[in-house]
Amino acid sequence: EAGVTQSPRYAVLQEGQAVSFWCDPISGHDTLYWYQQPRDQGPQLLVYFRDEAVIDNSQLPSDRFSAVRPKGTNSTLKIQSAKQGDTATYLCASSPEQFFGPGTRLTVL
Amino acid sequence: GDSVTQTEGLVTLTEGLPVMLNCTYQSTYSPFLFWYVQHLNEAPKLLLKSFTDNKRPEHQGFHATLHKSSSSFHLQKSSAQLSDSALYYCALSDDTNAYKVIFGKGTHLHVLP
Repeated sequence: EAGVTQSPRYAVLQEGQAVSFWCDPISGHDTLYWYQQPRDQGPQLLVYFRDEAVIDNSQLPSDRFSAVRPKGTNSTLKIQSAKQGDTATYLCASSPEQFFGPGTRLTVL
Repeated sequence: GDSVTQTEGLVTLTEGLPVMLNCTYQSTYSPFLFWYVQHLNEAPKLLLKSFTDNKRPEHQGFHATLHKSSSSFHLQKSSAQLSDSALYYCALSDDTNAYKVIFGKGTHLHVLP
């Protein structure tokens, strides 16, 4: 069984630039999560979907972050205007039991 | 709201000694507790999860017991191995929303030869 895949694996930006992260969950998993994991901290939930519907995006900085899952399969997380404080690893996971992808390590200079 | 506390940021011990990593939680509803392990440059992986029937989950020599009276789910192993060196996260969901998982800050376990 293929795991959760994410791309890109790394991204380096200047402040103000935009970036998109892509996630392909495990086939058949209806629930998909995006987490932000700053260095030396635990994963912090940003948003999660069931199928194509957003269930909880209360922790997503809505002025600059957006997430979609239009067909209930793959998902994209976008940062419109990155800040240095966004430097972190962005993890995608799918359920049941929160299988995590390898993450995208973002550095904002 | 729900929260998870891991009091130790770093635990260092010698190979062969027992391991105990602390986890306490606050939850208004019936909790489900998890332990995840994250090795260097890898994604977190589920290690253990609590059972609703109070059975003690075990995996790779690790075990944890959910004690609702003390709101704890400490991770234990009788004998540490070098390969156990990793970050360990305790996490929580509850029966009102089993899909929303809250993670603790993590404990870094460093096993010395």
